[in-house]
Amino acid sequence: DTGVSQDPRHKITKRGQNVTFRCDPISEHNRLYWYRQTLGQGPEFLTYFQNEAQLEKSRLLSDRFSAERPKGSFSTLEIQRTEQGDSAMYLCASSSAGLTDTQYFGPGTRLTVL
Amino acid sequence: GENVEQHPSTLSVQEGDSAVIKCTYSDSASNYFPWYKQELGKGPQLIIDIRSNVGEKKDQRIAVTLNKTAKHFSLHITETQPEDSAVYFCAASTNFGNEKLTFGTGTRLTIIP
Repeated sequence: DTGVSQDPRHKITKRGQNVTFRCDPISEHNRLYWYRQTLGQGPEFLTYFQNEAQLEKSRLLSDRFSAERPKGSFSTLEIQRTEQGDSAMYLCASSSAGLTDTQYFGPGTRLTVL
Repeated sequence: GENVEQHPSTLSVQEGDSAVIKCTYSDSASNYFPWYKQELGKGPQLIIDIRSNVGEKKDQRIAVTLNKTAKHFSLHITETQPEDSAVYFCAASTNFGNEKLTFGTGTRLTIIP
């Protein structure tokens, strides 16, 4: 299967701990997006990359959040000093920048902060 | 920024009947409107999309219509089947999808056998 993959699928952590999620996009997709989805809501944009360059960050992305895509392939999203309000599904999507772009989503990482 | 509203939040239809979900958007610069289906525990899956230079698009039992003047677009599912039960999200984006997606709040569709 060559779809978007995310790891881990589930993460339970205690408040104050740091967590890191990984996203592997579809091969050769140069754009990678991170979204956050809370229960009963649609996904909300966090940030996106074109190759290794981070092009936009949402105001939702506080200074406790950092994302990287060092070689323009996989990406990591780190949350420092987690809070209970960080509990959500973190979704990654990838696309191939061009005239007609479809964002393909991964299965998500479910984060629970106790 | 863009704001997308979606109605209804829940929808139940008899198997074989049609379902319609409606969305409105606020940013006249938006030109790409995808619809995603999300099943429990899974990521959103694209089912159909439409660009602003097209008024209607159809793919088998699924169709999407766009009214740019009124800034609204709709998803139509005909001959509904039990496997259509899921949460559906509309979204909007500028630059034909080369930018972030702004999603609606979702519609939980239940098909009654």
